[in-house]
Amino acid sequence: EDKVVQSPLSLVVHEGDTVTLNCSYEVTNFRSLLWYKQEKKAPTFLFMLTSSGIEKKSGRLSSILDKKELSSILNITATQTGDSAIYLCAARGENTDKLIFGTGTRLQVFP
Amino acid sequence: SQTIHQWPATLVQPVGSPLSLECTVEGTSNPNLYWYRQAAGRGLQLLFYSVGIGQISSEVPQNLSASRPQDRQFILSSKKLLLSDSGFYLCAWSHRRGTGNTIYFGEGSWLTVV
Repeated sequence: EDKVVQSPLSLVVHEGDTVTLNCSYEVTNFRSLLWYKQEKKAPTFLFMLTSSGIEKKSGRLSSILDKKELSSILNITATQTGDSAIYLCAARGENTDKLIFGTGTRLQVFP
Repeated sequence: SQTIHQWPATLVQPVGSPLSLECTVEGTSNPNLYWYRQAAGRGLQLLFYSVGIGQISSEVPQNLSASRPQDRQFILSSKKLLLSDSGFYLCAWSHRRGTGNTIYFGEGSWLTVV
């Protein structure tokens, strides 16, 4: 059965800290991995990764995929209170439009 | 640009009552449409997805059903709600396979069954 596992489940840091969120996947004929940020309601799209070793970056957020290890990390540098959210990882296999989601990592950033 | 609307945002319903959550997408044609449920500690669980009018795939056995009466309209229904149906329901859309496969979510609907 396809699955996505995220760690840690929860993380509490102070502003300015750097955090690394982990995502591992077991998906038949893996095609892509996506990261979302969910603050209060709708998850908002952050990154989609399809190739190993190529970092995607947006401001203080960056992510990279390791197909050999079947995993991905999401880094957030110089965290701010506005980064507090649940970060969701999802993976998709070939020949399917369905995303398999992990349970998410709840990040809390305190001033 | 594409937008997705979902309503109602919040709903409190008694056990045994019917349910109808509606979702519409604007600014695109022939989207894939999805209904997810999010329960605490369980991430997002895919309930239904649709690749076209009248085409519905159910992912998990449950008390709910979905329909797609028009290309950009997706409806989640139940004839008789159970307490266990409480949760946060998210509608989502994506382009058809091969044209970009990011999934975009609506604002969600909080359902409390009492």
